[in-house]
Amino acid sequence: KAGVTQTPRYLIKTRGQQVTLSCSPISGHRSVSWYQQTPGQGLQFLFEYFSETQRNKGNFPGRFSGRQFSNSRSEMNVSTLELGDSALYLCASSLFQGGTEAFFGQGTRLTVV
Amino acid sequence: GENVGLHLPTLSVQEGDNSIINCAYSNSASDYFIWYKQESGKGPQFIIDIRSNMDKRQGQRVTVLLNKTVKHLSLQIAATQPGDSAVYFCAEMYMEYGNKLVFGAGTILRVKS
Repeated sequence: KAGVTQTPRYLIKTRGQQVTLSCSPISGHRSVSWYQQTPGQGLQFLFEYFSETQRNKGNFPGRFSGRQFSNSRSEMNVSTLELGDSALYLCASSLFQGGTEAFFGQGTRLTVV
Repeated sequence: GENVGLHLPTLSVQEGDNSIINCAYSNSASDYFIWYKQESGKGPQFIIDIRSNMDKRQGQRVTVLLNKTVKHLSLQIAATQPGDSAVYFCAEMYMEYGNKLVFGAGTILRVKS
């Protein structure tokens, strides 16, 4: 059974640009969550999608957005990139709502220069 | 690693010894408390969870203890092995918020051979 796949693995962008990250959950999983991991703030929740609907959102500016497709694949977008957006972005999939066992991908390392 | 900037506490143990990793949580309303392990270059991996109405749960080589009076959670690892070296995170989940995980800062576990 394939795990959670995130693409790309590494990305370098310039301030002011926008970026789209992709996540393919484990087959059959309908919940996809996104997290930002930085040395200063640790692991922080961005948002969760379940059956194409955003179910919850963390305390991030509106520049951070996401969506989920009918096949459960998810994308997150960050517009007008800032240096502080440099981070490891992790995607986690869960079989259902209320599942404590989330399966994380290896993440996308975004560097903003 | 991702969490060096947070000056994470480090626990160094000898191979074969037992390890105890501690975590203080903040939300008394959380329904579940969960431990995740993150190895270098990988996403977090689920270890074990405990429901808020329990005080102890055992898994394979791991035991989680929950003390709601002082809002304290601990993870005990028996017969620690080199492969246990990683950053360990406690996380809280409140079912009303779907699959949102609120992570603690993390603890680095180093196993000496």
